[in-house]
Amino acid sequence: GQNIDQPTEMTATEGAIVQINCTYQTSGFNGLFWYQQHAGEAPTFLSYNVLDGLEEKGRFSSFLSRSKGYSYLLLKELQMKDSASYLCAVRFVSSNSGYALNFGKGTSLLVTP
Amino acid sequence: DTGVSQDPRHKITKRGQNVTFRCDPISEHNRLYWYRQTLGQGPEFLTYFQNEAQLEKSRLLSDRFSAERPKGSFSTLEIQRTEQGDSAMYLCASSLDRGRVKNIQYFGAGTRLSVL
Repeated sequence: GQNIDQPTEMTATEGAIVQINCTYQTSGFNGLFWYQQHAGEAPTFLSYNVLDGLEEKGRFSSFLSRSKGYSYLLLKELQMKDSASYLCAVRFVSSNSGYALNFGKGTSLLVTP
Repeated sequence: DTGVSQDPRHKITKRGQNVTFRCDPISEHNRLYWYRQTLGQGPEFLTYFQNEAQLEKSRLLSDRFSAERPKGSFSTLEIQRTEQGDSAMYLCASSLDRGRVKNIQYFGAGTRLSVL
C-alpha cells in the first residue's frame, strides 16, 4: 500500500509557528509535494522534496527524511489567510506508473486571532 | 500565462444522465491529469495523458468514465449514466515533462458535480 497519513485538524494562533507532519510508505518513493487548498479552490503548489533535508521558501519550509518515510511542512509567522487544508502528496514509481500523485486526506489548519 | 481552466465550475444532473467536463491545461504542458475529490478527502488519481496518449488509468475509472485529449491540448472527461456516488469535485492538473525536472502538477479550480 501507499498509505499517506497526516493529522486531520490543527489549530494555531496568528503569528505563531505550526508544523504539519506527513508519513508514507517508503517503497518506490519518487518525490513529495505539499499543496495548500482553500475551500472550493484549486490545490496550490507549495513545495517539493526528493532529497533528504529542508527546503525553505519564505514563511514556508518543508523537510524530508526518506529513510523514515517522513516529511513536515513548517509555517512561520502565521496569518489568518493561512487557514486552509494542507495536502501531502507522494509520487511513487511503479511498472505502470506515470507521475500520478497519491494524496493524504489533508490537514485542515485553523488560524485564530 | 494563464493557469489550468475547467468548465463548467458546477454541474447538477439527474441520475442516469451523461455529463462532460472540459479542461484546458497550461499552454505547452504536455502532461494532463484528472483527479476526483470528495469532501474531507485528498484528490484521488483517475487518469493521465502525455500529449494525446492516455497512459494510465486508475481502477477508480469505471467503464462509465471516458477521457480524451484528441489534439494533445484540452481534455474532456465524460461520465455516462451518472450515479449519486459520482458526486464529487473533478480536478484537472497539468505539468511539463522535462525528464528529470520536478514535474510539478498545477491544478485547476475543478468542476463540482452533484448527481440528484
